[in-house]
Amino acid sequence: GENVEQHPSTLSVQEGDSAVIKCTYSDSASNYFPWYKQELGKRPQLIIDIRSNVGEKKDQRIAVTLNKTAKHFSLHITETQPEDSAVYFCAASTGAGGTSYGKLTFGQGTILTVHP
Amino acid sequence: DSGVTQTPKHLITATGQRVTLRCSPRSGDLSVYWYQQSLDQGLQFLIQYYNGEERAKGNILERFSAQQFPDLHSELNLSSLELGDSALYFCASSAGSRDTGELFFGEGSRLTVL
Repeated sequence: GENVEQHPSTLSVQEGDSAVIKCTYSDSASNYFPWYKQELGKRPQLIIDIRSNVGEKKDQRIAVTLNKTAKHFSLHITETQPEDSAVYFCAASTGAGGTSYGKLTFGQGTILTVHP
Repeated sequence: DSGVTQTPKHLITATGQRVTLRCSPRSGDLSVYWYQQSLDQGLQFLIQYYNGEERAKGNILERFSAQQFPDLHSELNLSSLELGDSALYFCASSAGSRDTGELFFGEGSRLTVL
């Protein structure tokens, strides 16, 4: 089955710095790669996603890049703020549309701490 | 608020017991997913239902079972509980046929097995 590796496990940055989290996946059939943010004691929430036919996607301070050849994808957060502090999970899915996208294999998570 | 409702929020029980976790998906969502989150295993997919039918299975133990009812709510049944079953159990829903991929998670049910 799919295996997703995520690094680093913890990341500490100063407010205003950039943060980068990297993930690799094993199944070349994977075609959907979301990133979820989970604040302490809360539910995971989607922050950005990318599909295999796109190399990069940006949403304000957040961007995701995908390298299908190398089977890795990364989350980039610029101008970090203390409220960005949370656990970030990458995930992969081999969904073919419709009902399958939600069967996600998650990475182990990255605890991001942004110091004021 | 994601629109996904899970009950109970917290549950404490003893080894060998059986519990039922309940989930109501967002209005109009046909797919329900169950995930288990623990410190050592992370977030793991258990099972998916779509419009009442099982669609995908993950690392779900034989002691666990689930179903989705005609009104689309779902229940996850955990039996012969062991200490290692202590975890946060999330239900999530998605649109199904109009699925963009985004999962909407409930607040979770925290199970503690003593």
